[in-house]
Amino acid sequence: KQEVTQIPAALSVPEGENLVLNCSFTDSAIYNLQWFRQDPGKGLTSLLLIQSSQREQTSGRLNASLDKSSGRSTLYIAASQPGDSATYLCAVRPQGGSEKLVFGKGTKLTVNP
Amino acid sequence: GAGVSQSPSNKVTEKGKDVELRCDPISGHTALYWYRQSLGQGLEFLIYFQGNSAPDKSGLPSDRFSAERTGGSVSTLTIQRTQQEDSAVYLCASSSQRANTQYFGPGTRLTVL
Repeated sequence: KQEVTQIPAALSVPEGENLVLNCSFTDSAIYNLQWFRQDPGKGLTSLLLIQSSQREQTSGRLNASLDKSSGRSTLYIAASQPGDSATYLCAVRPQGGSEKLVFGKGTKLTVNP
Repeated sequence: GAGVSQSPSNKVTEKGKDVELRCDPISGHTALYWYRQSLGQGLEFLIYFQGNSAPDKSGLPSDRFSAERTGGSVSTLTIQRTQQEDSAVYLCASSSQRANTQYFGPGTRLTVL
């Protein structure tokens, strides 16, 4: 059974700092990996999707990497801003025909002005 | 364009009552997913639709839970004889084809008293 773990559960940093969020998964047989952002009381916003054949994806100040063989992904946020404060969720889509996503419990990020 | 919409945004019900939650996917999206987010738990997959059929119902927690999709569009998640442990945020997502990003709605917060 695929399990996804995110460390740390919570992180508080001063504005301007570069930071890394970690995600690990137990089964390397994945179709893709996706990072989402969730703001309080709102749904999820997709940030980056990495296909299993890719090593990284970039969007603005965000960079996500994938090491499928070791079951790890990182989300790098450069020059953090207070508006980046949210919960960040990592999800994998397992191979094997199911379309479902398996989520970690998230990292709650607070960026202090 | 319009995103995924869900209704109601909040639902408070008494234990033992039936509830219906509605999801309107993005127009043209053939795949539709239901997830549940309970306090302290990660997002859990419930059911996946491709068109009007549900090839993966593996996440439905009991036979009190059912879902249907009509016209390849709107989906309804029904919970019969609600229990307090059903209290959660129910999220719907849609995607246009396999391997593409899942786009999430704002969710329905269900509280069972």
